[in-house]
Amino acid sequence: EDQVTQSPEALRLQEGESSSLNCSYTVSGLRGLFWYRQDPGKGPEFLFTLYSAGEEKEKERLKATLTKKESFLHITAPKPEDSATYLCAVAGNNFNKFYFGSGTKLNVKP
Amino acid sequence: EAGVAQSPRYKIIEKRQSVAFWCNPISGHATLYWYQQILGQGPKLLIQFQNNGVVDDSQLPKDRFSAERLKGVDSTLKIQPAKLEDSAVYLCASSLEGRPLFFGPGTRLTVL
Repeated sequence: EDQVTQSPEALRLQEGESSSLNCSYTVSGLRGLFWYRQDPGKGPEFLFTLYSAGEEKEKERLKATLTKKESFLHITAPKPEDSATYLCAVAGNNFNKFYFGSGTKLNVKP
Repeated sequence: EAGVAQSPRYKIIEKRQSVAFWCNPISGHATLYWYQQILGQGPKLLIQFQNNGVVDDSQLPKDRFSAERLKGVDSTLKIQPAKLEDSAVYLCASSLEGRPLFFGPGTRLTVL
């Protein structure tokens, strides 16, 4: 069964303290892995798509990487405005079917 | 480009009442999804439409939930009668074939 597990559930960082969020997955024929950011009271906002192992994408302080079993979202020198829940999703053989993890709630203290 | 629109943003009802949510996807997006997100969890798929046909409704509680997509564009999700455990955020999303999902702002439902 296709499955996505994110860790940790919650992460507290001091401003400027770099860290990584993990998304491990089992899926039949990975077609894409997606990272989203969700602020309280809002819908998830698309960040990145990764299609194959070894691929990397960057946006400001965020960098997403992909291996055959997991993806990491690296946050470099985070700021309080990076505080949010980060969701990971995968699409398998049926590209239009997406499986979501439970998310990592990131809190960055000034 | 306009995003996914949803209404209402908030709804409070008593248990056993009925409620309906509306979604307008991004123009041209053939695939439309309804997700339920309970606090602290990831989105859970309720139903997926391709144009105006249902692709996947395996996790939709069909005894109380129904959904339709008129003319392959707008969609409505209805709950009748509501239960306490239906309290959640209902997210609508749309996508093009092989592309990421784009979400609306969601409707926060509270069932008392």
